[in-house]
Amino acid sequence: KAGVTQTPRYLIKTRGQQVTLSCSPISGHRSVSWYQQTPGQGLQFLFEYFSETQRNKGNFPGRFSGRQFSNSRSEMNVSTLELGDSALYLCASSKMGLAGGHEQFFGPGTRLTVL
Amino acid sequence: AQSVTQLGSHVSVSEGALVLLRCNYSSSVPPYLFWYVQYPNQGLQLLLKYTSAATLVKGINGFEAEFKKSETSFHLTKPSAHMSDAAEYFCAVSANKAAGNKLTFGGGTRVLVKP
Repeated sequence: KAGVTQTPRYLIKTRGQQVTLSCSPISGHRSVSWYQQTPGQGLQFLFEYFSETQRNKGNFPGRFSGRQFSNSRSEMNVSTLELGDSALYLCASSKMGLAGGHEQFFGPGTRLTVL
Repeated sequence: AQSVTQLGSHVSVSEGALVLLRCNYSSSVPPYLFWYVQYPNQGLQLLLKYTSAATLVKGINGFEAEFKKSETSFHLTKPSAHMSDAAEYFCAVSANKAAGNKLTFGGGTRVLVKP
């Protein structure tokens, strides 16, 4: 079974630009979550999507947005990039049920550098 | 609100020695608890998870963790360190189904294994 894939793996942008990152979950997984990882702030939850609906959102500004398609693939977008947006962006997919505690499978991440 | 504290951002152990990584959590409801490992330039891989079954949880690669509600702890151990255990380890909590699959992570502990 193929794992979570993220594209691109590396990205360099300049301040003020916007960027779109893509995530393809494991087949059959309907939940996709996004996390930002930086040396200073660690791993922080951005948002979670399930069945094309945002189920949960972290404490990030509105410049960070996402969406999920009917095939469960997800994209996240960051507009008006700032230097502090440089980070590793991780996508995770999970089966979904009524209870929590489901294992999340992480992709390799997209390394975004903002110059 | 949930939070996770990992004591020690760096741990150095000799090959063959005990690995002990500490994790304390705060949660207003019984939590789901996870340990993940991250190797350089990779995503996160689940080592083990606690979901209110047995308090002693066995995971992959010889790791195990014990849930102690009275101490709000979920420390990770491995009896004998191997060079391949050098990585960063993250403890995470997910509160309940209302939180969906949102994970709150600790700051991480980087493990160095000396030959």
